Amino acid sequence: DIQMTQSPSSLSASVGDRVTITCRASQSISSYLNWYQQKPGKAPKLLIYATSSLQSGVPSRFRGRGSGTDFALTFSSLQPEDFATYYCQQSYSIPYTFGQGTKLEIK
Amino acid sequence: EVQLVESGGGLVQPGRSLRLSCAASGFSFGDYVLSWVRQAPGKGLEWVGFIRSKSYGGTTEYAASVKGRFTISRDDSKSIAYLQMNSLKTEDTALYYCTREDILTGYYSDYYHYMDVWGRGTTVTVSS
Repeated sequence: DIQMTQSPSSLSASVGDRVTITCRASQSISSYLNWYQQKPGKAPKLLIYATSSLQSGVPSRFRGRGSGTDFALTFSSLQPEDFATYYCQQSYSIPYTFGQGTKLEIK
Repeated sequence: EVQLVESGGGLVQPGRSLRLSCAASGFSFGDYVLSWVRQAPGKGLEWVGFIRSKSYGGTTEYAASVKGRFTISRDDSKSIAYLQMNSLKTEDTALYYCTREDILTGYYSDYYHYMDVWGRGTTVTVSS
C-alpha cells in the first residue's frame, strides 16, 4: 500500500498568512493526488484534484502543486473559514490512502 | 441538488451484521463509482472500498481491513448503494461516509479519480 505522510500534523497561523502544507507519498503517484478540507462535525469537501485542478466553487487562494512523491497545498492568504483539517489522498493505486491530516488552527 | 444520504447506522455487538444504505439524488447514479470512506472517532479518513459502474462491470474493491467481511452493492434502479458489514469488530466503529467518485481524463488518456460528493455520514458503533 502507498503511505501518505502530511507535514505538519498541526499548524497555527493568522488570518492573511501565506501557508503551505505538504504531503509525501511512499512511492511515485504521478499526479494522482487530491486534497480535502474537513471542518468539525462536517463531511470532507473536495478542494483540489489531480494535484492542481481546483474543484468548482473553491476559491482561487487555494493552490496545489507537485508530482511524483512530493506535493503541497498553499493558501495565498488565510481566511477565517480556512481553519480546518486538510487531508491528501492518492488515487494512483488501490487501496486509496489518505494522509493523517493537517489541522490548521488560528494563532 | 446533487446529494448522498447515508442511513442504517447504529449500535451493534461484535460479530453481528449491519447494512448501510446510501441514497443518491440529483445525478445519473448509474454512471458513477460509489465509494465508502470511514472515520473512527477523533481519527483520520480511511477508504473502505468502492463499486464501479455497470459500464465497468460493477466490480468492487476493498481495503484489506474489511475484505471478506464487507460487501458493497448497488441498485441503479433505486439510486442506492449498500455496504453490508458482517463479522463486525470493535475497530469498525466509525462514521461511515458514502462518496461519489468522478474521473478526469488527462491529456494522455490517464484517468484521475477523486471523490467530489460526500454524504453526511452514518455512525456505526460496535460494542458489547
